[in-house]
Amino acid sequence: KQEVTQIPAALSVPEGENLVLNCSFTDSAIYNLQWFRQDPGKGLTSLLLIQSSQREQTSGRLNASLDKSSGRSTLYIAASQPGDSATYLCAPYNTDKLIFGTGTRLQVFP
Amino acid sequence: ETGVTQTPRHLVMGMTNKKSLKCEQHLGHNAMYWYKQSAKKPLELMFVYNFKEQTENNSVPSRFSPECPNSSHLFLHLHTLQPEDSALYLCASSQVWDRGTTNEKLFFGSGTQLSVL
Repeated sequence: KQEVTQIPAALSVPEGENLVLNCSFTDSAIYNLQWFRQDPGKGLTSLLLIQSSQREQTSGRLNASLDKSSGRSTLYIAASQPGDSATYLCAPYNTDKLIFGTGTRLQVFP
Repeated sequence: ETGVTQTPRHLVMGMTNKKSLKCEQHLGHNAMYWYKQSAKKPLELMFVYNFKEQTENNSVPSRFSPECPNSSHLFLHLHTLQPEDSALYLCASSQVWDRGTTNEKLFFGSGTQLSVL
């Protein structure tokens, strides 16, 4: 059974900092891994999808890496902004389902 | 706007009520999902429909009954719920291959915040 752990659980930083959010998973037989953002009381927005054959994906200030064999993924946020404040969720995709971690709650203050 | 619309946004119901949650996707996807998000817990997958056929029922109590009349619509019928069923219920859709796997992103609706009194 896939289990997903995200560290840290919460993070509060001043704007401008470069951030690293970590995700680990127990079952490396994945097709892909997705990173999502969730604002309070809202649905999820897909940020990046890394296929199992890829090492990283980039979108703007976001860069996600994947080390499938060790069961790890990292989300880098460059030059953080207050608008980045949200919960970030990691979800590896096994067979036909996404399994989610509990997320990292990020607050970026001015 | 993600292309996945959920109604209602908020719902308060008593334990003896019957209500339904609705989800509609405008993305031409062939798979739809129900997830439950409770406070302090990871999102839990409840049901998966691929090509309108239910392929996953993640040990969900029978008081939750899904319905997928076509590839664009998904319902979750609720009856005799318990207070611990209060949560955010999220619908998602994606494009899948024949066996239900995919390398496409999932798109989520904004959710229905359910409170059971």
